[in-house]
Amino acid sequence: GDSVTQMEGPVTLSEEAFLTINCTYTATGYPSLFWYVQYPGEGLQLLLKATKADDKGSNKGFEATYRKETTSFHLEKGSVQVSDSAVYFCALSDPTQGGSEKLVFGKGTKLTVNP
Amino acid sequence: DVKVTQSSRYLVKRTGEKVFLECVQDMDHENMFWYRQDPGLGLRLIYFSYDVKMKEKGDIPEGYSVSREKKERFSLILESASTNQTSMYLCASLPGTAYNEQFFGPGTRLTVL
Repeated sequence: GDSVTQMEGPVTLSEEAFLTINCTYTATGYPSLFWYVQYPGEGLQLLLKATKADDKGSNKGFEATYRKETTSFHLEKGSVQVSDSAVYFCALSDPTQGGSEKLVFGKGTKLTVNP
Repeated sequence: DVKVTQSSRYLVKRTGEKVFLECVQDMDHENMFWYRQDPGLGLRLIYFSYDVKMKEKGDIPEGYSVSREKKERFSLILESASTNQTSMYLCASLPGTAYNEQFFGPGTRLTVL
């Protein structure tokens, strides 16, 4: 079945550092890819998404590019802030797996940004 | 803005109790989901519903059931709570169109003693 693998955390950075969180996926079809973020004490919210190969999703200074050749969707930000401290989840939805509605999540990466 | 609300943020129950977790969405979405979130395991799908009175098992349905009598409400039921069901439970909703984002509620942290 489909699966998502993202880098183990936790990740601790200083403010203004560069962030990369790696995400790779396995899917039989042509999935859509997502990054969700969970701030402390809250539910998940969509950070960005890409629906086809070579698409770049971006939001709040974060970017991720859908790379079909490497089956990857790495999350990057050039300069992190303390307010970016959260848990980040990579996810996919694959319409060939019995319904495009279902999301498959990675295990999450906790990011802490220190002042 | 889409709003997904869950009946409780924190809940403490005893082993063997019947537990109801309620989720309500206000955007007329067809699809609704229940996940549990555990450290190191990420989010795992328990059940989902694509229409009123329709439901499908997710990856870990054992020990749970669901009810969707109205479009806006999706209930998760623990028939006889056990300590291994202590977890964070997240509800989400999704419009009928493919590739749209799921909208999540704030979660219910359930502790079973």
